[in-house]
Amino acid sequence: SAVISQKPSRDICQRGTSLTIQCQVDSQVTMMFWYRQQPGQSLTLIATANQGSEATYESGFVIDKFPISRPNLTFSTLTVSNMSPEDSSIYLCSVLDVGTEAFFGQGTRLTVV
Amino acid sequence: DQQVKQNSPSLSVQEGRISILNCDYTNSMFDYFLWYKKYPAEGPTFLISISSIKDKNEDGRFTVFLNKSAKHLSLHIVPSQPGDSAVYFCGSTSYGKLTFGQGTILTVHP
Repeated sequence: SAVISQKPSRDICQRGTSLTIQCQVDSQVTMMFWYRQQPGQSLTLIATANQGSEATYESGFVIDKFPISRPNLTFSTLTVSNMSPEDSSIYLCSVLDVGTEAFFGQGTRLTVV
Repeated sequence: DQQVKQNSPSLSVQEGRISILNCDYTNSMFDYFLWYKKYPAEGPTFLISISSIKDKNEDGRFTVFLNKSAKHLSLHIVPSQPGDSAVYFCGSTSYGKLTFGQGTILTVHP
């Protein structure tokens, strides 16, 4: 199974600022995803992080707000830009390796004040 | 349009009894179904899965049942233990993407 390190684990940020979340995997993986879990809501897919090309965003999410990098097969970052209190959520990275079982990082709990 | 639904936000069960968590889906393209467990301040961890070509998969105390005609999925935990108390998410995959339900908070009382 893949081991995922995600940081920071939590942060409190001022509105209007940006936060970059890092996701490091202990092995090369084909697919990496970023999810958001707003309070009381389900896990919602933000985007698929593609190695060597632009991320693929789901409906309702745009690159200007959530720029994503994936420079190699073991690392990705998600930036939450120009934050507002509505961005307060848990952000999770996930990897999909052999088969269809997904592994998750421990999450980043973001509070925007 | 929510494609995966868990209609029970919470479930409370006595230790030793059976816990049954339910999940409904609408997308007939889903080919694989999974259950994840999530403790506070941790990421979801994989619990058990089932392919759309099967109707049952068992792993120790955990059994997942799939009723394709009803587009319904359930997770049975027996016997339930206090350590099972967590949020349970059902998820379905199509083309590698996971879609999750809202989650069900399971509380197992000693």
